[in-house]
Amino acid sequence: QVQLQESGPGQVKPSETLSLTCTVSDGPISTYYWSWVRQSPVKGLEWIGYIHYTGSAKYNPSLKSRVTMSVDPSKNQFSLRLSSVTASDTAVYYCARGIYEKWEFDSWGRGTLVTVSS
Amino acid sequence: QSVLTQPPSASGTPGQRVTISCSGSNSNIGSNTVDWYQQLPGTAPKLLIYRNNQRPSGVPTDRFSGSKSGTSASLAISGLQSVDEANYYCAVWDDSLNGRVFGGGTKLTVL
Repeated sequence: QVQLQESGPGQVKPSETLSLTCTVSDGPISTYYWSWVRQSPVKGLEWIGYIHYTGSAKYNPSLKSRVTMSVDPSKNQFSLRLSSVTASDTAVYYCARGIYEKWEFDSWGRGTLVTVSS
Repeated sequence: QSVLTQPPSASGTPGQRVTISCSGSNSNIGSNTVDWYQQLPGTAPKLLIYRNNQRPSGVPTDRFSGSKSGTSASLAISGLQSVDEANYYCAVWDDSLNGRVFGGGTKLTVL
């Protein structure tokens, strides 16, 4: 059973860049689509984007100008960078696995709370 | 305002059958497959139904089912149990937005 684990700072200052990494264990990173999803009381569940193990990526249009995702197959990791954060970016951030870009997320990480505050 | 519309709450007594709806449009539910997630308090969402009506291994076949018709989808839970108290979310790919969208979630209460 594949395991996903998010890691990164729990607090980020306004206007700075949020950076998170998801480590995939007990399964390959190849062939899959790796997404980031966040959840806040105001916005609910929100898809941020995905990166394929080949490096191709697709982002939520509402966040596209601030999002960058990358993948490191040698470390079985993929990462999220969200720039120019504000308080509205405060959320629990999850990483998740998909078999195909338009299909379901069959595995999720436990999530990590990121608070944007000075 | 979510692209997919779910009722904010649903309830039932133990043993009852409840249905949760998810309404969308031609660019999402009308064109792509729907999945459902169960989120227990303090935990990550868990895949419950995928590709409209498929159950992952471990999900009871006699209790959880999904269906889709046109631009709407439904999740049915039979033989309601107290452990089913959770938030339920529908999700689908939206061809117009070119991204994945979620419903606002339905909080299920077992009375």
